[in-house]
Amino acid sequence: NAGVMQNPRHLVRRRGQEARLRCSPMKGHSHVYWYRQLPEEGLKFMVYLQKENIIDESGMPKERFSAEFPKEGPSILRIQQVVRGDSAAYFCASSPVQNTEAFFGQGTRLTVV
Amino acid sequence: QKEVEQNSGPLSVPEGAIASLNCTYSDRGSQSFFWYRQYSGKSPELIMSIYSNGDKEDGRFTAQLNKASQYVSLLIRDSQPSDSATYLCAVIGTGRRALTFGSGTRLQVQP
Repeated sequence: NAGVMQNPRHLVRRRGQEARLRCSPMKGHSHVYWYRQLPEEGLKFMVYLQKENIIDESGMPKERFSAEFPKEGPSILRIQQVVRGDSAAYFCASSPVQNTEAFFGQGTRLTVV
Repeated sequence: QKEVEQNSGPLSVPEGAIASLNCTYSDRGSQSFFWYRQYSGKSPELIMSIYSNGDKEDGRFTAQLNKASQYVSLLIRDSQPSDSATYLCAVIGTGRRALTFGSGTRLQVQP
């Protein structure tokens, strides 16, 4: 029973490039959440998606960031024109239904050089 | 006021002692509460969930919820050095349908 799978585990991008982070939820889970964690800081909510729908994107920066969770395939967090301040760990979590516990993937460590 | 507040620590306890971690939340209508553990450089790992007032025990861990006082706590009995980690309190509030996390409390268990 595979857990939440994120890839890549580590991603290095030059300033101005695009970063694509992927998340496959646990089997049977249709709710996906993305969080960002800066070094020595807490987890900040970014976006909550259900299949083909964005439920809550109140934590997403207004520019350069987007997320999707298509009917088929993993959820994608896309960051366009990355800047050094985007360097962080990005975690994906999934849950089977709303308002219940969520399980986290191993995260993607993004480094912008 | 932060939605979920935790003392950042570090909280230092000797091996074998009880570690008590506390968390307060601002949304009085919150219904779902969770404790996660995060080792340095790793992802958060769910320890406990609690939805009703009172205590919930699982092995060495006990979660306590008091909705009237808007606090939730985690007790770790017989603390081990391997329990040394950051403990994250998370709440699902009435307006947000995703987990909101506190900034975490760093626990150090001294051998």
